Amino acid sequence: DADVTQTPRNRITKTGKRIMLECSQTKGHDRMYWYRQDPGLGLRLIYYSFDVKDINKGEISDGYSVSRQAQAKFSLSLESAIPNQTALYFCATSRDSPSSYNEQFFGPGTRLTVL
Amino acid sequence: SQQGEEDPQALSIQEGENATMNCSYKTSINNLQWYRQNSGRGLVHLILIRSNEREKHSGRLRVTLDTSKKSSSLLITASRAADTASYFCATGSGNTPLVFGKGTRLSVIA
Repeated sequence: DADVTQTPRNRITKTGKRIMLECSQTKGHDRMYWYRQDPGLGLRLIYYSFDVKDINKGEISDGYSVSRQAQAKFSLSLESAIPNQTALYFCATSRDSPSSYNEQFFGPGTRLTVL
Repeated sequence: SQQGEEDPQALSIQEGENATMNCSYKTSINNLQWYRQNSGRGLVHLILIRSNEREKHSGRLRVTLDTSKKSSSLLITASRAADTASYFCATGSGNTPLVFGKGTRLSVIA
């Protein structure tokens, strides 16, 4: 079984719709992250959470929100989707501090298309 | 903004040749990591090198780090078609999340 799972794997939606992407992990890691990947731009951090009560904005948080429902679950929401949010979204996890020394484990990704 | 910049953006080699990718970064780090991504899939960690290390090996992978030049290189020896993927460097500093570069697309032709 996959350690980091994402649902849905693919989603096509229309401008203005609310979308939630979900991430679950069985690795027992405290730290979870959401990234988006666009061609030629690499991975950019949207939000991250170091534990259940901790939420931090990343490089590109505008237009997104997150919820850390439990240690194992971290959801990303697009309140009103727009076409330039079309991208590949990844969830990742890592062990506790110092986080920068710890490798990140990635989910399989969600391909989101906003029409 | 992104910390690491990989060079070249794309690389095409014959099977059996060595592939070298470079990563430059701008600020102080305490470690640098390399990840691999097969097309459209999640990234997979390859190797981590700490700021006080100069070279590290793992199988066919060799990573170097030059903190004075703020640069790292990833060498894949005796490349195989299965090495075809995108490779990303990621820098770590303090207690903050890793910052990923834009990646190098490697194509290994059989």
